[in-house]
Amino acid sequence: QVQLQESGPRLVKPSETLSLTCTVSGGSVSNGNYYWNWIRQPPGKGLEWIGYIYYSGHTNYNPSLKSRVTMSIDTSQNQFSLKLSSVTAADTAVYYCARQWELHNYFDYWGQGTLVTVSS
Amino acid sequence: DIQMTQSPSSLSASVGDRVTITCRASQSISNHLNWFQQKPGKVPKLLIYAASSSQSGVPSRFSGSGSGTDFTLTISSLQPEDFATYYCQQSYSTPWTFGQGTKVEIK
Repeated sequence: QVQLQESGPRLVKPSETLSLTCTVSGGSVSNGNYYWNWIRQPPGKGLEWIGYIYYSGHTNYNPSLKSRVTMSIDTSQNQFSLKLSSVTAADTAVYYCARQWELHNYFDYWGQGTLVTVSS
Repeated sequence: DIQMTQSPSSLSASVGDRVTITCRASQSISNHLNWFQQKPGKVPKLLIYAASSSQSGVPSRFSGSGSGTDFTLTISSLQPEDFATYYCQQSYSTPWTFGQGTKVEIK
């Protein structure tokens, strides 16, 4: 059974960089059949796709966040990561990592999500 | 970006009711449409992919239809565990985008 688990600081100060890591078990981030995504959900609001990274390191970011987003992948640790710079209160959200199957382009496995609050 | 618009934003229904949720895309997305169910404090769960294909383990009362720009999710007989928020999501082109959600509440 594939499992994804987000980790990282839950509180980030305004203007600083949010950093999260997703650790995958029961599957490999090196599997070329999948994209590895980050999705967020502000409290009480809808879902926003942040971007994905492929095992090769190829990335695709949401243009609305592209200038502030960096994703990376560590195949030796079976992890992938998100950095979001210059955060504001508007970046407060539950951040999910999710696997996307390339064949049908759907998110089939999600992490449990982690609430990151931006506050001084 | 492709805009996804769901209707209604919320609805009240009783156990046993037939419920239909509509999702409209701002341009044609063929059948590249997925439906998710999210309960409070929980992770979104994939119900339907490619507009009408059911994910493994999803009860048969959930069905999806549509192509192009107009799609529907139907719950044939609403059960107590179905009270949740439902999201459509297009997988036609990046950035992947979601509808704003439809909250199904108990009448």
